[in-house]
Amino acid sequence: AQTVTQSQPEMSVQEAETVTLSCTYDTSESDYYLFWYKQPPSRQMILVIRQEAYKQQNATENRFSVNFQKAAKSFSLKISDSQLGDAAMYFCAYSPYNNNDMRFGAGTRLTVKP
Amino acid sequence: DVKVTQSSRYLVKRTGEKVFLECVQDMDHENMFWYRQDPGLGLRLIYFSYDVKMKEKGDIPEGYSVSREKKERFSLILESASTNQTSMYLCASSPWTGMDHRGYTFGSGTRLTVV
Repeated sequence: AQTVTQSQPEMSVQEAETVTLSCTYDTSESDYYLFWYKQPPSRQMILVIRQEAYKQQNATENRFSVNFQKAAKSFSLKISDSQLGDAAMYFCAYSPYNNNDMRFGAGTRLTVKP
Repeated sequence: DVKVTQSSRYLVKRTGEKVFLECVQDMDHENMFWYRQDPGLGLRLIYFSYDVKMKEKGDIPEGYSVSREKKERFSLILESASTNQTSMYLCASSPWTGMDHRGYTFGSGTRLTVV
């Protein structure tokens, strides 16, 4: 079974600074999807960014980008120019290529300091 | 605006009660999922469904069952609630897009307390 590990239960960042959240995963598959989700205090899970494993180019969505290292099975999220609204739980998730199941990590709570 | 709606935001039930958690999506999605979320454990998959009347066990199905009689509705059932089922329950849906997985749309969650 695939597992997803987020080794940082909590992180903090100063407003306008950059922070990187770590994620590693374990799989024997060669094709799969990776996701980062954000869960603010409102509890609504929001998709932040998505990466297809067969694409070598790292995904980017505005201030959010990933560093995808397929050989190392690492998928970190970089948030640039952090804003107060970025404060939330962040979950890394893995999904196999041939179905829609998703497995999540334990989450990282991000605090943004003004 | 597309939505996944969970019928209750907070729920308190007694040990031994039969509990129904309802989830409805208005996006005509084929796939629906139930997760529980616990601190330090993240989201764990309980059950999922890829079609009407179809269900598959996830990683932690014990003590739960599901029902999907209509495409838009996916119910999670706790046959006899126990205190260790106190948790946040999240419903999600996604379209069947073959190999092009674009992620889930989530509901706002139901925080269930079993006393």
